[in-house]
Amino acid sequence: AQTVTQSQPEMSVQEAETVTLSCTYDTSESDYYLFWYKQPPSRQMILVIRQEAYKQQNATENRFSVNFQKAAKSFSLKISDSQLGDAAMYFCAYTTNAGGTSYGKLTFGQGTILTVHP
Amino acid sequence: EAQVTQNPRYLITVTGKKLTVTCSQNMNHEYMSWYRQDPGLGLRQIYYSMNVEVTDKGDVPEGYKVSRKEKRNFPLILESPSPNQTSLYFCASRPGGVLLRGYTFGSGTRLTVV
Repeated sequence: AQTVTQSQPEMSVQEAETVTLSCTYDTSESDYYLFWYKQPPSRQMILVIRQEAYKQQNATENRFSVNFQKAAKSFSLKISDSQLGDAAMYFCAYTTNAGGTSYGKLTFGQGTILTVHP
Repeated sequence: EAQVTQNPRYLITVTGKKLTVTCSQNMNHEYMSWYRQDPGLGLRQIYYSMNVEVTDKGDVPEGYKVSRKEKRNFPLILESPSPNQTSLYFCASRPGGVLLRGYTFGSGTRLTVV
């Protein structure tokens, strides 16, 4: 079974600085996708960034970028120029194109609470 | 506006009193799913549905029921709620076969069972 692990329950960063959130996953599949979701205090789940396993190039969305290390099964999120509005719980998630009950199912990590200090 | 609508947003109930959490999406998505979120555990899948009348168990289905009679609706039913079902619940949907687009989530239902 696929698993996703976020080993940092909490992280903090100063406004305008850079922070990296860690995520590792375990899978035997070759065709899969990885996501980072943001959950602010409003509870809404917001898709931040996505990565296809087949793509070598790391995904980037404005101040958010990932470091995708396929061999190491690592998928970290880097937030540059941190802003107060980035404070939230961040979830790493995995899904696969493989058949069976795993198809399309999102498997989540435990979450990392990010605090941004002014 | 494309969205997943969950109701209610908050619910407090007593042990054993049947309840239903509604979920509706307006994007014509084939795939819908229910998750529960608990501290330190992230989100775990309860049930999912590939399309109308097609549902299956996720990782933590015990104590829950679902139905998918219409494409847009996917209610979560707790026949006899217990305190260990106190949690934050999310409904989510996505189009069939387009995994890269990820899911659209509802705004969550905070359930407390006393």
